[in-house]
Amino acid sequence: AQSVSQHNHHVILSEAASLELGCNYSYGGTVNLFWYVQYPGQHLQLLLKYFSGDPLVKGIKGFEAEFIKSKFSFNLRKPSVQWSDTAEYFCAVYNNNDMRFGAGTRLTVKP
Amino acid sequence: EPEVTQTPSHQVTQMGQEVILRCVPISNHLYFYWYRQILGQKVEFLVSFYNNEISEKSEIFDDQFSVERPDGSNFTLKIRSTKLEDSAMYFCASSSPGQVRNFGPGTRLTVT
Repeated sequence: AQSVSQHNHHVILSEAASLELGCNYSYGGTVNLFWYVQYPGQHLQLLLKYFSGDPLVKGIKGFEAEFIKSKFSFNLRKPSVQWSDTAEYFCAVYNNNDMRFGAGTRLTVKP
Repeated sequence: EPEVTQTPSHQVTQMGQEVILRCVPISNHLYFYWYRQILGQKVEFLVSFYNNEISEKSEIFDDQFSVERPDGSNFTLKIRSTKLEDSAMYFCASSSPGQVRNFGPGTRLTVT
């Protein structure tokens, strides 16, 4: 079964700092990749997704992610974080109607 | 834009009681899912449902859980005899084949 690893459990940054959250998956076949965000007290919202094509994916709110097939990675990046980016971020892998989430990374942005 | 809706937003129940969590998926979607998130932990897959039957379930989805699509619009998760450790956020999701899953706002279940 596929699995998803998010290595950073809690990341603390100051506003304007750059962000990179790691995501690695273990499935060797064709996968679709997602990043979801969960703001405090709210439900999961899709940030961005990769199905095929350009491995650099642009999402909402200035986020982007790069799919590197050789490294089985799909890291999330943002050049300059804001206080409002404080949330939990989940990487997810979809294949053959099976979708699995990583453990999540809590991002705290200090004003 | 159509959304997945869930009711109630918060359910409090006593240990051993049965609860039914309700979801209204997006109307033209064919696949339905339940996930749960214990406070402070990751989102865990429970079950997927397609063509009026369970297509996949996780090890969490044991005999105390069941799902049903009682009519053309609702998708329910029943927990027969709740335990303290069932306290969590329960998210419903729906999708079209091969498309992104749309998640509902969740139901917070508190078992006392």
